Amino acid sequence: AQSVTQLGSHVSVSEGALVLLRCNYSSSVPPYLFWYVQYPNQGLQLLLKYTTGATLVKGINGFEAEFKKSETSFHLTKPSAHMSDAAEYFCAVSGTSYGKLTFGQGTILTVHP
Amino acid sequence: EAGVVQSPRYKIIEKKQPVAFWCNPISGHNTLYWYLQNLGQGPELLIRYENEEAVDDSQLPKDRFSAERLKGVDSTLKIQPAELGDSAVYLCASSRGSGPQETQYFGPGTRLLVL
Repeated sequence: AQSVTQLGSHVSVSEGALVLLRCNYSSSVPPYLFWYVQYPNQGLQLLLKYTTGATLVKGINGFEAEFKKSETSFHLTKPSAHMSDAAEYFCAVSGTSYGKLTFGQGTILTVHP
Repeated sequence: EAGVVQSPRYKIIEKKQPVAFWCNPISGHNTLYWYLQNLGQGPELLIRYENEEAVDDSQLPKDRFSAERLKGVDSTLKIQPAELGDSAVYLCASSRGSGPQETQYFGPGTRLLVL
């Protein structure tokens, strides 16, 4: 069984501030981890994913995430927030023999001027 | 390349009416997924196809939901009859393969409102 917990359903930051969105997972097998972003009335777009190898993963739009096995975490960060980053972010885990994604409940990011 | 296409984008129906959603995956993607996304929640898998075969439909409420993927390309998801609780966004996704590391590409979704 696998599950994802995203800490904080809403995160608010000022433009230029650090963005930190938290994700913890549970998986009985080595996980593959994903971060997706969803803009209003749009589908989900992949930001980045961890499969194997380097634990620090860089994605699009300046985002990155670090896989920490000991903490079962995959937190998403961005050094400097832009107004265009305002959206809902979903963490997901896939660990079975096929690609069944289990999503967290999402975190809405608000960026203030 | 073109993304995953879904239609309609929005649908309003009265309860007990039937409704159907259509999905065209990215060309060459053999695996197709239908997800249900309730307001304020992450997507949940309803059914997964590999080519034309439904290989995981354990989460599909089969008393009222059905799906098909004829010829292993386009797919249709149907609800009959619709209930108030079916109001949600129905997302279609596709991937080139079916492994756990595969990236799933999502369409814009169909937003269903049942009155």
